[in-house]
Amino acid sequence: ILNVEQSPQSLHVQEGDSTNFTCSFPSSNFYALHWYRWETAKSPEALFVMTLNGDEKKKGRISATLNTKEGYSYLYIKGSQPEDSATYLCAFSRGTGRRALTFGSGTRLQVQP
Amino acid sequence: DGGITQSPKYLFRKEGQNVTLSCEQNLNHDAMYWYRQDPGQGLRLIYYSQIVNDFQKGDIAEGYSVSREKKESFPLTVTSAQKNPTAFYLCASSYSAGGETYNEQFFGPGTRLTVL
Repeated sequence: ILNVEQSPQSLHVQEGDSTNFTCSFPSSNFYALHWYRWETAKSPEALFVMTLNGDEKKKGRISATLNTKEGYSYLYIKGSQPEDSATYLCAFSRGTGRRALTFGSGTRLQVQP
Repeated sequence: DGGITQSPKYLFRKEGQNVTLSCEQNLNHDAMYWYRQDPGQGLRLIYYSQIVNDFQKGDIAEGYSVSREKKESFPLTVTSAQKNPTAFYLCASSYSAGGETYNEQFFGPGTRLTVL
């Protein structure tokens, strides 16, 4: 079983703060790295899918970077808003073997107004 | 509207009974997946299917069974052999021609199973 680690486990910030989370994954035989946002009482929704080392993606105030050589990805949220409160999941897949994602346990973000 | 539906939303089962969770998608996706979530844990893969009439075990397949007779449907049966079935179950689907995993997954609303 592949090991995907996310830190921190939970985070409380004030509205307007910028924050970032980390996802660590095995660096060998990398294929794809996904980020999902999971709001309470809703289904997880994809934020980014990244496949290339050095890739940076942005969606509004949220951005992500990828380092496949060292096995980590960062998710940044600039100027957090209460509506950003959610659990952020990352998931990793390898190029050979099982053709499915392995998820981390998530970072739970609470943004206080 | 295209999407994934799961039914029922809440399910109660007596110990020793088998129960089947439904998952249907009209997104024309090739691949479908079943995950289980327990408190404080991430999503763990139970089974996945990349094409009709074919499926693969995930990390925690023991005590579960699936079928994929139609592209749109991927039902999960929780058998009496599953020792701790109380959990939240999520179904997902994605484009996956050739088995690639760089396409985002779309998730259903989930089924919360409680064993009494």
